[in-house]
Amino acid sequence: LAKTTQPISMDSYEGQEVNITCSHNNIATNDYITWYQQFPSQGPRFIIQGYKTKVTNEVASLFIPADRKSSTLSLPRVSLSDTAVYYCLVGGYILTGGGNKLTFGTGTQLKVEL
Amino acid sequence: NAGVMQNPRHLVRRRGQEARLRCSPMKGHSHVYWYRQLPEEGLKFMVYLQKENIIDESGMPKERFSAEFPKEGPSILRIQQVVRGDSAAYFCASSPNQGAANEQFFGPGTRLTVL
Repeated sequence: LAKTTQPISMDSYEGQEVNITCSHNNIATNDYITWYQQFPSQGPRFIIQGYKTKVTNEVASLFIPADRKSSTLSLPRVSLSDTAVYYCLVGGYILTGGGNKLTFGTGTQLKVEL
Repeated sequence: NAGVMQNPRHLVRRRGQEARLRCSPMKGHSHVYWYRQLPEEGLKFMVYLQKENIIDESGMPKERFSAEFPKEGPSILRIQQVVRGDSAAYFCASSPNQGAANEQFFGPGTRLTVL
């Protein structure tokens, strides 16, 4: 499984755009890049996933350069409620038909202030 | 559609006792995963199960820990003769047969405290 490196913490203010970059130099050809969000005392929540280029959904965008050795999670106009730990995960299917163990690092603690 | 359910939410045990953690996956999900999270750390994979089968238990300690996902009923993570080092948050997740790779739906967790 590819190792990921991301900043331990980031600070921001409400209304700003936040970009969290994750390095994964050893990413394999069939690996996807996935981001999860975790609030205190809760389980992680899937945010977004991509393989290459750019993916956008209602909460975030994910930018992946051509070499796929890094990725950037972009949160537009953050609010106080976006204060959480954000995990970057890299991996693919281990078995066909679904099912894959996820490898979490220590994540990035994002703190949003007024 | 109810999410992943775990109970109890909090569990206190004395050293040497047994802990049983339950997980009901989302309706229609046949894959169940258990993870453990120590304070200030990320989640660590323990075991992956499908109905009546353990698919991958590479993250589970060889002794005292066991998991099952019977044909009927919830998945159970069982810890025998608990020690203080077992104190952690235990999260269960589930996923469907089809869907985005690596998208798992997590429950609220069970916080185990061993006195």
